Amino acid sequence: TQLLEQSPQFLSIQEGENLTVYCNSSSVFSSLQWYRQEPGEGPVLLVTVVTGGEVKKLKRLTFQFGDARKDSSLHITAAQPGDTGLYLCAGQSNDMRFGAGTRLTVKP
Amino acid sequence: DSGVTQTPKHLITATGQRVTLRCSPRSGDLSVYWYQQSLDQGLQFLIQYYNGEERAKGNILERFSAQQFPDLHSELNLSSLELGDSALYFCASMGTNTGELFFGEGSRLTVL
Repeated sequence: TQLLEQSPQFLSIQEGENLTVYCNSSSVFSSLQWYRQEPGEGPVLLVTVVTGGEVKKLKRLTFQFGDARKDSSLHITAAQPGDTGLYLCAGQSNDMRFGAGTRLTVKP
Repeated sequence: DSGVTQTPKHLITATGQRVTLRCSPRSGDLSVYWYQQSLDQGLQFLIQYYNGEERAKGNILERFSAQQFPDLHSELNLSSLELGDSALYFCASMGTNTGELFFGEGSRLTVL
């Protein structure tokens, strides 16, 4: 059972398009993190959001934490093939739980 | 390089067997987390240790056990292996002040 639901599960787009992926939960988290995982490697942290309503930008990536600290979104502007990967959200309460991820493919 | 070391990288074994996966956390990190990732799945939390003590338990089967030793390395023991145990097993250590998880490259277990 996933405490964190991510959508969509799969996303395939052309280079230059914009996209948004979502992470939703019925639980409140003290913080929420987004990781990216490439094939054959472990996940790598992209960002941590802590405050409800917080927005963080990392180059072409924009992360938002919901006001109630139960959900988050990741928006990518002008996607590039290098953005291809599995995007995982993780919520921290007593431990660190992950969603099932969104597998993004950006075609040149 | 995350600084977290996992061995072995690949392991092929038969049903009913027992294996041990090893993890060395980043220097200075006290927490170790174990996760299981099946094909095209997210990370299923198994268990967490902090400075040698079990802190949290997830969906870890009774056939699985783990421990963290005084030198902070950790081992995950998987016994009576079944085909469905085939997966990538990740270990991660948590940065003390950042809350960031640093993952190893994983141990790929194949049960035939």
